[in-house]
Amino acid sequence: GENVGLHLPTLSVQEGDNSIINCAYSNSASDYFIWYKQESGKGPQFIIDIRSNMDKRQGQRVTVLLNKTVKHLSLQIAATQPGDSAVYFCAEIPFSGYALNFGKGTSLLVTP
Amino acid sequence: DAGVIQSPRHEVTEMGQEVTLRCKPISGHDYLFWYRQTMMRGLELLIYFNNNVPIDDSGMPEDRFSAKMPNASFSTLKIQPSEPRDSAVYFCASSLRAYSGANVLTFGAGSRLTVL
Repeated sequence: GENVGLHLPTLSVQEGDNSIINCAYSNSASDYFIWYKQESGKGPQFIIDIRSNMDKRQGQRVTVLLNKTVKHLSLQIAATQPGDSAVYFCAEIPFSGYALNFGKGTSLLVTP
Repeated sequence: DAGVIQSPRHEVTEMGQEVTLRCKPISGHDYLFWYRQTMMRGLELLIYFNNNVPIDDSGMPEDRFSAKMPNASFSTLKIQPSEPRDSAVYFCASSLRAYSGANVLTFGAGSRLTVL
């Protein structure tokens, strides 16, 4: 099937810095792109999503950017906090389906 | 709402034994998904249901795996016989209608399976 993958498996940032987590996808027939956060011992938790007809969406301290030309998705976290330490997954839903296809994840470590 | 509830949280069993994982979706959600998570493969979709009917089971690894949803509030994932390579965290998730941004996929806390 199509792949949804991540550029970097691990990212270490200092508290207060901004974080950028990247994701490449190959399925151009996707309707939604979603970012999930997974803390140790827990299930993935929804952060933010973006529809394919948009190129930017902002939430609370997070921004998702979508570049359909190069099939690239990024998650920006402003003023990263220790509580942001987790594994972050990008996922996509094709126009024809309902289930999320997940990338392998990026581990974000926030150091004080 | 208590969210998606999975049981057991942890299961350790021996190869060849039958394993049954259980899931209670969020009330009112009509889509239910089973995912498996391993370090090597990440999160893999196994099967999903709509209104208790299996829609896509192409992710189910082999005949040893089966899933049922006898009613809107309960689903099971069964592995028989279990093998060490089935060791993983199994997640259940549910959502309301088709994904539309407002209807996000909500995950349970997962069931960690270890097959010795």
